[in-house]
Amino acid sequence: GQQLNQSPQSMFIQEGEDVSMNCTSSSIFNTWLWYKQDPGEGPVLLIALYKAGELTSNGRLTAQFGITRKDSFLNISASIPSDVGIYFCAGPDNYGQNFVFGPGTRLSVLP
Amino acid sequence: SQTIHQWPATLVQPVGSPLSLECTVEGTSNPNLYWYRQAAGRGLQLLFYSVGIGQISSEVPQNLSASRPQDRQFILSSKKLLLSDSGFYLCAWGQNTEAFFGQGTRLTVV
Repeated sequence: GQQLNQSPQSMFIQEGEDVSMNCTSSSIFNTWLWYKQDPGEGPVLLIALYKAGELTSNGRLTAQFGITRKDSFLNISASIPSDVGIYFCAGPDNYGQNFVFGPGTRLSVLP
Repeated sequence: SQTIHQWPATLVQPVGSPLSLECTVEGTSNPNLYWYRQAAGRGLQLLFYSVGIGQISSEVPQNLSASRPQDRQFILSSKKLLLSDSGFYLCAWGQNTEAFFGQGTRLTVV
């Protein structure tokens, strides 16, 4: 079945640094979703991408839909402590009924 | 706007006791509904999904069951809980291209 891989698995950065993480698949996705999960909470949708090559921003977050449709990138600029959490990429499966989720990238921000 | 409610937020249950977690969605009709489980520090495991009333698909064999008695209500149940049922349970709704999650239920089986 369809799978998503995320890298890095975890990262520790200093407050103020920029962050970059990616999501890859061996199959094509027509939509890419990026979620953030705070500890003890449900994931919250940050950015949705619908078109190959699309670049979308949400505040300090920027995500891109890869032109091959097999990858996506999420960048966070000038990280702050509240950026701590797990970031998941996801996309609808080929049948349009379920969603495929990546294993997540755990971000820690050091003061 | 659409909202999703999931309760309770936390639950401690003894082994062998029954379970009922409820999820309701407001502001949309005929959504796809999902139950996920998340082990500590891990990814999301899809347990059940439903595309309509009374239609339930199970992704993994387990000690749990799901029901959808109304269009916007999704219930996760167990007749007898096991220790291995402990985890963080998430309800979500989706339509076509995006999914939205509830706040989650932390279940501890003791």
